[in-house]
Amino acid sequence: AQKITQTQPGMFVQEKEAVTLDCTYDTSDPSYGLFWYKQPSSGEMIFLIYQGSYDQQNATEGRYSLNFQKARKSANLVISASQLGDSAMYFCAMRENYGQNFVFGPGTRLSVLP
Amino acid sequence: DGGITQSPKYLFRKEGQNVTLSCEQNLNHDAMYWYRQDPGQGLRLIYYSQIVNDFQKGDIAEGYSVSREKKESFPLTVTSAQKNPTAFYLCASNIDRGSTEAFFGQGTRLTVV
Repeated sequence: AQKITQTQPGMFVQEKEAVTLDCTYDTSDPSYGLFWYKQPSSGEMIFLIYQGSYDQQNATEGRYSLNFQKARKSANLVISASQLGDSAMYFCAMRENYGQNFVFGPGTRLSVLP
Repeated sequence: DGGITQSPKYLFRKEGQNVTLSCEQNLNHDAMYWYRQDPGQGLRLIYYSQIVNDFQKGDIAEGYSVSREKKESFPLTVTSAQKNPTAFYLCASNIDRGSTEAFFGQGTRLTVV
């Protein structure tokens, strides 16, 4: 069974600082994908970054990077140089390679302070 | 522009009524999904479909029904059997390969009055 854990219900970060949002997952499938989404107060889900289980390097997309530690089943999102517009809910999700749906964690609410 | 469209954005339902939420995509995606989100919580899967005329129940399918008569469309009906339907509903689609992300609609906020 798949499971995603995000242990930080809420996080605060000062503008221009870096922040790490935690995500751990549980799967018995050797092939899977990990995704991070941002959900602002408007409710839309914005895709941020993807990491495949066989990828050798950590994924990066602009100010977003994914700290992937496969042995620890950890896929933390790092946001560098936080901006006020980064304030939102952040969800970690997983999909097994031949699985049929995306499983989401409970989310972390990030607040960026001016 | 390609995308996924949900309508309406806001929906009010009286007790005992069935209501249908629309989800349309022009991305030529095979897979489509319906998720429910309660305040301050994550997304829970209601139903998903990988191909036309086929769909599977997710974790919280009771009180909901779907159809997939066309590749582009995956409407969700919230029936009177759903005892607590007030929530935010998100539709998503995916090209159905493990390495690709799901694309989401803007969501429908359903309130029982």
